[in-house]
Amino acid sequence: EIVLTQSPGTLSLSPGERATLSCRASQSVSSSYLAWYQQKPGQAPRLLIYGASSRATGIPDRFSGSGSGTDFTLTISRLEPEDFAVYYCQQYGSSPGYSFGQGTKLEIK
Amino acid sequence: EVQLVESGGGLVQPGGSLRLSCAASGFTFSSYEMNWVRQAPGKGLEWVSYISSSGSTIYYADSVKGRFTISRDNAKNSLYLQMNSLRAEDTAVYYCAGRYSFHYYYYMDVWGKGTTVTVSS
Repeated sequence: EIVLTQSPGTLSLSPGERATLSCRASQSVSSSYLAWYQQKPGQAPRLLIYGASSRATGIPDRFSGSGSGTDFTLTISRLEPEDFAVYYCQQYGSSPGYSFGQGTKLEIK
Repeated sequence: EVQLVESGGGLVQPGGSLRLSCAASGFTFSSYEMNWVRQAPGKGLEWVSYISSSGSTIYYADSVKGRFTISRDNAKNSLYLQMNSLRAEDTAVYYCAGRYSFHYYYYMDVWGKGTTVTVSS
């Protein structure tokens, strides 16, 4: 079973700053199976990135994904007030089925 | 408008049963693989179960295997989750989420707003 570990658990930044979120897999993950989601309180998750680096429809270009193998990164180039939320990485394939990382909370400093 | 609407949540005693439903509209449901994903209060996302677009392939998380049953009715554009032998740790918001089965990549791009299940005496 592949375990996804996200770091940091909480990231405190100010609007306009750059955010770098990490997702590390316990075994190699196909980039095709790696996605990122954003979740705000009381809302369902929203797909941001699929295939490790492709932005979903309607996602601003300040969001970007990168990485391969066991190390993946979500970068938000310039934080907007609406970006403060919890972010999850997701992989498909092991077990089988899907699994999620434990999440990174991005909070306003 | 693409939409998934969950229903059937509520308060149930430990050991009890509940059946969740998810109604799809605005897209070709029969072309989508579907999942149930849950989120316990204050916790992260946990994938629960998967069903292929035809219903022929099904997967479960170990935490629910043998207790939960996923099914779908493509004629009714509906997804179901039969939950038996419920435990306190099954308390969560349950989301249905889908993936277009002909996509090369694996992700869930259609989500419902969730239905809340509380298991308590």
